[in-house]
Amino acid sequence: DTGVSQNPRHKITKRGQNVTFRCDPISEHNRLYWYRQTLGQGPEFLTYFQNEAQLEKSRLLSDRFSAERPKGSFSTLEIQRTEQGDSAMYLCASSRYRLTSTDTQYFGPGTRLTVL
Amino acid sequence: KQEVTQIPAALSVPEGENLVLNCSFTDSAIYNLQWFRQDPGKGLTSLLLIQSSQREQTSGRLNASLDKSSGRSTLYIAASQPGDSATYLCAVRLSGGYQKVTFGIGTKLQVIP
Repeated sequence: DTGVSQNPRHKITKRGQNVTFRCDPISEHNRLYWYRQTLGQGPEFLTYFQNEAQLEKSRLLSDRFSAERPKGSFSTLEIQRTEQGDSAMYLCASSRYRLTSTDTQYFGPGTRLTVL
Repeated sequence: KQEVTQIPAALSVPEGENLVLNCSFTDSAIYNLQWFRQDPGKGLTSLLLIQSSQREQTSGRLNASLDKSSGRSTLYIAASQPGDSATYLCAVRLSGGYQKVTFGIGTKLQVIP
């Protein structure tokens, strides 16, 4: 049973560089979510896809952030011109939406970003 | 704007004790409420999900209750074990077709052998 996977697990970058994270959801999960979690806080919702369509975006997702899910399977989250305030754990989750199901979200291990 | 509060922020108990974690939310128009566990530096593990029409859910030694009208949920852990040590997060999804989930900051639990 393969869960949600995220790569890389850790990323250290210098301020101003671009970074890209990848999330592979559980097979056949049609919904995919991105969250950001800073130390001592709960995760904050960033964005959500149903299949390949990005249906919700948080105001936290500034112009420097972009997320894609081109074929409705894996997703990428790119941060351009990184800032020290972007340092956080980036979590991905997926779920399978069915009318009769509870649509439980399953989380990946996260990618920890450190911006120097 | 939905706000989720968890009390206490940290809790330390001896092994074998029963304990209750509290979660409160400001907007009662919720779709569901979910309790998660997070180990240090790791992702989240779903423990229990309660739909807005339900009052409680149980899984093993865990029982979660929901009182939507008062904006409260509790997570009851029976006969705590050292392996239960983790941060427990409460998360609320609003009704109305939204997928955004709002999390509390969690309760950090330590069970002492």
